[in-house]
Amino acid sequence: DIIMTQTPLSSPVTLGQPASISCKSSQSLAHSDGNTYLSWLHQRPGQPPRLLIYKVSYRFSGVPDRFSGSGAGTDFTLEISRVEAEDVGVYYCMQGTQLPRTFGQGTKLEIK
Amino acid sequence: EVQLVESGGGLVQPGRSLRLSCEASGFTFNDFDMHWVRQAPGKGLEWVSGITWKTDNVGYAASVKGRFTISRDNAKNSVYLQMNSLTTEDTALYYCVKAMERKVTARHFDSWGPGTLVTVSS
Repeated sequence: DIIMTQTPLSSPVTLGQPASISCKSSQSLAHSDGNTYLSWLHQRPGQPPRLLIYKVSYRFSGVPDRFSGSGAGTDFTLEISRVEAEDVGVYYCMQGTQLPRTFGQGTKLEIK
Repeated sequence: EVQLVESGGGLVQPGRSLRLSCEASGFTFNDFDMHWVRQAPGKGLEWVSGITWKTDNVGYAASVKGRFTISRDNAKNSVYLQMNSLTTEDTALYYCVKAMERKVTARHFDSWGPGTLVTVSS
């Protein structure tokens, strides 16, 4: 199985400031079809996760442009350019390259 | 609007069985792979099982293989998870999840139900 490791596990940030979360996979997520299947999800307290980013850097429908994803191979990053109050919660990376699908352990974003 | 509504959760004793259901609406159900993902209390996300849109292929996490069975009824826009030989380790909120990709292997999950809670305890 591909192991997904996120850092940090907790991130206190100031409103309006940027935030960054790293996700590293134990194997390359580059698929033989030329795509890299890495997504980011956001889970607010008491709610199901929602998709933010897919295929490393594509924003899902309705996701604000302050969210961006980057990376390749085994190293990926989610960046929030200016954190807003609604961004609190837990962020997960997920790989869709290989079965079983696996998730990072989650990064909790909190407001200072 | 995509809607996924899970049902069937509850309190069950170790060793017993439970069947989860998920009714979908708002999209062409038989064009998309469907999955189950669970979240133990206070923990992260764990993929459990998935079934292709054509129902020709299924997959399971190692932790549930041989005990859980996924199925779908495209006529009823529903996906199911039969869970046998339950243990306390199976206690979790079970989410029904829709694949983003149409008529190809699911690589991303774009819609999640609110979840149904399964508690395994004596």
